[in-house]
Amino acid sequence: NAGVMQNPRHLVRRRGQEARLRCSPMKGHSHVYWYRQLPEEGLKFMVYLQKENIIDESGMPKERFSAEFPKEGPSILRIQQVVRGDSAAYFCASSPRDRGNYGYTFGSGTRLTVV
Amino acid sequence: GENVEQHPSTLSVQEGDSAVIKCTYSDSASNYFPWYKQELGKGPQLIIDIRSNVGEKKDQRIAVTLNKTAKHFSLHITETQPEDSAVYFCAARKAAGNKLTFGGGTRVLVKP
Repeated sequence: NAGVMQNPRHLVRRRGQEARLRCSPMKGHSHVYWYRQLPEEGLKFMVYLQKENIIDESGMPKERFSAEFPKEGPSILRIQQVVRGDSAAYFCASSPRDRGNYGYTFGSGTRLTVV
Repeated sequence: GENVEQHPSTLSVQEGDSAVIKCTYSDSASNYFPWYKQELGKGPQLIIDIRSNVGEKKDQRIAVTLNKTAKHFSLHITETQPEDSAVYFCAARKAAGNKLTFGGGTRVLVKP
């Protein structure tokens, strides 16, 4: 039973390019969460998705960031026109159900570097 | 929204000693409190969690206590070992929502 799979592990983008981060949840998990971790800082919530639905995007920057979790395929976090301040580790987590007190399972993260 | 404070930010202990990390939360509606361990270059890993109907939970060398009245919870690691060196995060979540709010993390160093 594979865990949460994120790819790529490392991503380098020039300023102004687009970054696409992918996350495949654990088998049987239908809820996906994205968190951002700046160097030497904690985990900041970005967005919570279920299949084909954004449930809570209160942590997403208003511009350039978007997320989706289609019916088929992985969840995608997309950052358009990246800037140096977007350099961070982006973690995806999944859980099996809503409204239950279940811990998340995190992936290994994508480390984005903007040069 | 929920706010979780975590102390200390760094903790250095001698191998074999105990380590204690404390967190406070602001939203009295929170009822689920997990702890995560993050090793260098890896994602956070759930190590123990506690629900609001329980005051204490133990798993081998790790224990967590919860004081709902005071809105604080703590992680206790006994007989620390070098492999316990990592960053530890506490978190809190309300029953009605699924978003985990994390504390700022504690970097634990266990010196052999």
